[in-house]
Amino acid sequence: GENVEQHPSTLSVQEGDSAVIKCTYSDSASNYFPWYKQELGKGPQLIIDIRSNVGEKKDQRIAVTLNKTAKHFSLHITETQPEDSAVYFCAASSPTGGFKTIFGAGTRLFVKA
Amino acid sequence: EAGVAQSPRYKIIEKRQSVAFWCNPISGHATLYWYQQILGQGPKLLIQFQNNGVVDDSQLPKDRFSAERLKGVDSTLKIQPAKLEDSAVYLCASSPRTSGGEYEQYFGPGTRLTVT
Repeated sequence: GENVEQHPSTLSVQEGDSAVIKCTYSDSASNYFPWYKQELGKGPQLIIDIRSNVGEKKDQRIAVTLNKTAKHFSLHITETQPEDSAVYFCAASSPTGGFKTIFGAGTRLFVKA
Repeated sequence: EAGVAQSPRYKIIEKRQSVAFWCNPISGHATLYWYQQILGQGPKLLIQFQNNGVVDDSQLPKDRFSAERLKGVDSTLKIQPAKLEDSAVYLCASSPRTSGGEYEQYFGPGTRLTVT
């Protein structure tokens, strides 16, 4: 079945450094790729997304890149801050089967002050 | 704009008991999702509604789980009887899903279920 793999599972960076999280997906029909941030005790919150007709998107310190040929997409956080510490999930949505969304297993990001 | 509301926030039950969760999506959102999130994993879709019709329930364990969305607004998810492996956070999400294909999903805070 459809699958989204996410790496690394844990990432520890120093405040001010950059963090990169990578995902691969299996369903070639996927055309929407959101990223969510989940803090302890809360539901996932959409932080940025990208559609298949775009290769890169940036929003302040956050950027996403998409390589449809390789079925890879990545999240880049620059100038990390302690409040960026959370679990980040990538996801891939496909218009087949009613726009099903498959989530990665998550990356726990620690930003050390 | 009010977010997705869920209740209760926490629930502890014994195995073989029943439990129900409630979700109120963002006003005007046509699509509603229920996800199961086991500790340390990403959310897994259980069921997806478009208005009050089921779009996808392929991963819903129908022998014990049921869900309904009355009048295309609020939704309830029920487990009967519960098993130990049902311990998880149950997340509700909604999406505007316009004809232009807006796929953004907005999540509620979740209900943490512990089955003992």
